Amino acid sequence: QVQLQESGPGLVKPSETLSLTCSVSGGSVSSNSYYWSWVRQAPGKGLEFIGYVFYTGTTNYNPALNSRVTISMDTSKSQFFLKVNSVTAADTAVYFCARFMTMIVGDYFDYWGQGILVTVSS
Amino acid sequence: DIQMTQSPSSLSASVGDRITISCRASQSISRYLNWYQQKPGKAPKILIFAASNLQSGVPSRFSGSGSGTDFTLTISGLQPEDFASYYCQQSYRTHWTFGQGTKVEIK
Repeated sequence: QVQLQESGPGLVKPSETLSLTCSVSGGSVSSNSYYWSWVRQAPGKGLEFIGYVFYTGTTNYNPALNSRVTISMDTSKSQFFLKVNSVTAADTAVYFCARFMTMIVGDYFDYWGQGILVTVSS
Repeated sequence: DIQMTQSPSSLSASVGDRITISCRASQSISRYLNWYQQKPGKAPKILIFAASNLQSGVPSRFSGSGSGTDFTLTISGLQPEDFASYYCQQSYRTHWTFGQGTKVEIK
């Protein structure tokens, strides 16, 4: 059974960098079928795609966040990472890591972490 | 960006009711449309992928339809465990986007 687990600080100061790690267990991260993704959800709001990393290192980011976001991966540790620079209160959210699976019949997020609340406050 | 618009934003229903949630894309996305259920404090869970394919383990009372720009999620015979929020998501373009969500509440 594939499991994803987010970790990192729950409190970040404004203008600083938010850094999270997602640890993957129960399956290989080095597959052509998976995009390792971050999604966030502000309190009481909907889901927002942040971006993904492919095991080759290829990335894709939400244009609304593009200039502030970096997603990377360490396949040897089965981990991928999120960095968001210059955070403000608007970046306060639950951050989910998730696996996006692609296959002939469809593409979707099939496994998610439990989510980690990150609050931006001084 | 492809914008996804769900309606209604919330609805009240009773156990046993049949409900429908709509999702409209700002451009044609063929059948690259997924539906998720999210309960408070939990991660989303895939229900339907590629517009109408039921994910393994999901009860058959859930169904999806549509193509192009207009899609529907139907729950036939609402159960107590179905009171949750539901999100559509397009996978046509790799900047994947979600609808704003529909909260299904107990009447």
